[in-house]
Amino acid sequence: QKEVEQNSGPLSVPEGAIASLNCTYSDRGSQSFFWYRQYSGKSPELIMFIYSNGDKEDGRFTAQLNKASQYVSLLIRDSQPSDSATYLCAVNDNTDKLIFGTGTRLQVFP
Amino acid sequence: DTGVSQDPRHKITKRGQNVTFRCDPISEHNRLYWYRQTLGQGPEFLTYFQNEAQLEKSRLLSDRFSAERPKGSFSTLEIQRTEQGDSAMYLCASSVGGQDTQYFGPGTRLTVL
Repeated sequence: QKEVEQNSGPLSVPEGAIASLNCTYSDRGSQSFFWYRQYSGKSPELIMFIYSNGDKEDGRFTAQLNKASQYVSLLIRDSQPSDSATYLCAVNDNTDKLIFGTGTRLQVFP
Repeated sequence: DTGVSQDPRHKITKRGQNVTFRCDPISEHNRLYWYRQTLGQGPEFLTYFQNEAQLEKSRLLSDRFSAERPKGSFSTLEIQRTEQGDSAMYLCASSVGGQDTQYFGPGTRLTVL
């Protein structure tokens, strides 16, 4: 069974620090990888997507992909209290549906 | 706003009743997906459409569940004879193609009493 693993947290970081969120996946054939942010009671909101090995930066967010290690991460620089949410890692398998992890809850305290 | 829309946003029903949810995807998105999310879990895939064709159904989707996408536009998800275990957030997403980014609607929260 294809799986996506995340630490459920909570991950607590002070305002202004770097938050590092990690995800591993089991299907070596996966081609595209996504990070979604989900506030309590709301639906997932896309933060980043990454297809190739290496880093991809967008503002305060950097996604990192290592297909050999089957590892995806999301770095949030200059963390703000408004970043407090659950971050979902999702992997698009070869049948084009998303497999989600259970999410990591991030808490940014002032 | 041209995002994914879902209706209703909340539904409370009694066990044994039928419910139907609607999803309107982003215009010109060919793919439409349904997911279900329970508390503390990530969304789980239910089914998806390429235009009007339903291409895959999860084993989670019992025969009490049916989904349609007539004319390849909006989609409906019907649950017959609801059970308390059906209580969840039902999420709809759309994308241009199979490996493309999926954009989610606001979800329909179902509570079965």
